[in-house]
Amino acid sequence: DTEVTQTPKHLVMGMTNKKSLKCEQHMGHRAMYWYKQKAKKPPELMFVYSYEKLSINESVPSRFSPECPNSSLLNLHLHALQPEDSALYLCASSQVGVQETQYFGPGTRLLVL
Amino acid sequence: GNSVTQMEGPVTLSEEAFLTINCTYTATGYPSLFWYVQYPGEGLQLLLKATKADDKGSNKGFEATYRKETTSFHLEKGSVQVSDSAVYFCALSEDNYGQNFVFGPGTRLSVLP
Repeated sequence: DTEVTQTPKHLVMGMTNKKSLKCEQHMGHRAMYWYKQKAKKPPELMFVYSYEKLSINESVPSRFSPECPNSSLLNLHLHALQPEDSALYLCASSQVGVQETQYFGPGTRLLVL
Repeated sequence: GNSVTQMEGPVTLSEEAFLTINCTYTATGYPSLFWYVQYPGEGLQLLLKATKADDKGSNKGFEATYRKETTSFHLEKGSVQVSDSAVYFCALSEDNYGQNFVFGPGTRLSVLP
């Protein structure tokens, strides 16, 4: 099973709202990632968790707050977003090791009004 | 730094035509190379990978060979189908935490019946 699930599939929120994106995998992977993808562009790395600890933060604004409550779950908490934050948010997971394959979820399409 | 270059397209082909999407990379060390495919409205799916020079990755009729001498990983398929219409991303990974998981800009493929 190489499945990564993400909920919700679509999300519309106002600039004053607080919402969360959820990602789950049961492949025993200990590295999990959040990416942001704008239309017609490749994914951009936001955060990396390794063994449930934040190891990479690619200078992401504080209105995005990641959380890894256990080895299977990854959340992205959203607060006071801007319209330019509208994008497809992708979660991925991999083994921790050299040059490991990343497996992606279907994404959450976010629209900020 | 590391980078991936690929033809951006769009590439439009008739069904059963031969497909080549060029990908070249710049990297220090010895990266693993990947092709991911993104169908409309979906996340990225691993198509194939190669971990060392002269390796050939293959899946669903697609093939790519890791050419270290030309720093290339071109994607080929002998006979495309309408269902192959998607965006194809070439990517490389040099280490284990994903910060060097570098994507190319993506190539949009449209296959006409």
